[in-house]
Amino acid sequence: GESVGLHLPTLSVQEGDNSIINCAYSNSASDYFIWYKQESGKGPQFIIDIRSNMDKRQGQRVTVLLNKTVKHLSLQIAATQPGDSAVYFCAGLNFGNEKLTFGTGTRLTIIP
Amino acid sequence: ETGVTQSPTHLIKTRGQQVTLRCSSQSGHNTVSWYQQALGQGPQFIFQYYREEENGRGNFPPRFSGLQFPNYSSELNVNALELDDSALYLCASSFRDGKETQYFGPGTRLLVL
Repeated sequence: GESVGLHLPTLSVQEGDNSIINCAYSNSASDYFIWYKQESGKGPQFIIDIRSNMDKRQGQRVTVLLNKTVKHLSLQIAATQPGDSAVYFCAGLNFGNEKLTFGTGTRLTIIP
Repeated sequence: ETGVTQSPTHLIKTRGQQVTLRCSSQSGHNTVSWYQQALGQGPQFIFQYYREEENGRGNFPPRFSGLQFPNYSSELNVNALELDDSALYLCASSFRDGKETQYFGPGTRLLVL
C-alpha cells in the first residue's frame, strides 16, 4: 500500500543552526509533495511544496529536496529560530486522487 | 492565517451520539477535504467534496458522512460515536487549478466519553 513518511520521531537543534528533516515515501505515483508545520493546538500550516518533476525548491529560509531515485524528501530550515519548534509532516498527493497521505511527523525542538 | 475556519473548537460527546462539525473554506476555494488526526499521528484522509459531491474517500465507515453547500462550506457528520473517534478533525480547502495545495483550518477537538 502507499505510505509517506518514515520519520525520526524527534530532532533537537541548537538555535541558529540549520535543521534537516527527512521523509521517505513508497508510492512512486505521487505527483506532488508538501511540507506542513503543525504547532501545538493548531492545524497544519503549509510551508513549501514540490512537484515530482523537480528536485529542489527554495523558499524563505527553507529548501525542499526530492530524490526520486531513492524516494526521499527532505526539508532544510536555515538558521533555526525558537518559532520553528513544531511537528513537521511531509505529505504526498496524486492529482486525480486528491487525498494527502501524511507521515507520522517529526517533532523539531530548538534549543536556546 | 489560512482563512479556513472550523466550528466548534472543542466538543465532548458520549458513545452512540451523533456530531456535526462545520468548515468554511478559504475565499475562492471550491474543494474541501476532511481529515482525522489522532494524538501523536499524522492526519488521515476521510473524504473530499468538490462541487457539492463526494470526490474520494479514505478508509472510514459509512457512519462518517459529509455535505458541501453552494457557498463551498462543508459539514462532517459522524453517527453512532465510538471512543476511538476521539481526535482532532481538520478540514482543508483548495482550488482545482492543477496545484491543489490544501490549506488547513485550526481543527475541532472531539472527545468521546
